[in-house]
Amino acid sequence: EVQLVESGGGLVQPGGSLRLSCAASGFTFSSHEMNWFRQPPGKGLEWVSTIDHSGTTVYYADSVKGRFTISRDNAKNSLYLQVNSLRAEDTAVYYCEREGYCSGATCYPDLWGQGTLVTVSS
Amino acid sequence: DVVMTQSPLSLPVTLGQPASISCRSSQSLVHSDGNTYLNWFQQRPGQSPRRLIYKVSNRDPGVPDRFSGSGSGTDFTLKISRVEAEDVGLYYCMQGSYWPPKTFGQGTKLEIK
Repeated sequence: EVQLVESGGGLVQPGGSLRLSCAASGFTFSSHEMNWFRQPPGKGLEWVSTIDHSGTTVYYADSVKGRFTISRDNAKNSLYLQVNSLRAEDTAVYYCEREGYCSGATCYPDLWGQGTLVTVSS
Repeated sequence: DVVMTQSPLSLPVTLGQPASISCRSSQSLVHSDGNTYLNWFQQRPGQSPRRLIYKVSNRDPGVPDRFSGSGSGTDFTLKISRVEAEDVGLYYCMQGSYWPPKTFGQGTKLEIK
């Protein structure tokens, strides 16, 4: 089955850390750029970070730069987001995403995980 | 950063009637490669988002043809020709022409009257 499954969220105190994981299956993970997005409770979507297919090139939103680290292990079909120095405003559902793409004449829809909730509170 | 502004933010629609959402960007989204990377996403209640439209007007696989996207430069529109109950939810535009960062509109909440 083609899917992304996130894990690793939870309740953490301000200043704490978590490692979010995203397990991919059903497609050639190593061929795809991957994204992390987040959505605070009751609010809109925000892009967090992107990593290229090889893990060589990464990008971050200014709001998380220096605190979050995106990485991937193509041998394990897994994407990660190390989140450090957490703040209350980082409270959100975090989603991993593979963009939709076309291969020849066939196009494939984007793929999102179910999300993992990170709550930063004392 | 490119600022994306959607309107309206709330959209009550009668079943079977059309609906339209506007999205404006703070600068032209025409990329140097000639493409315009403007996407539309739908988020049904309690679900993850999914992309409906990419590069302004291309429907993603599985998206009903009652959804259409149009526009150019800084002004874009998502139209639903006849709203169905399953269309209830939030709709977001997002630009990927000038990133980082990829930026979203505030979201439009579509509800049934």
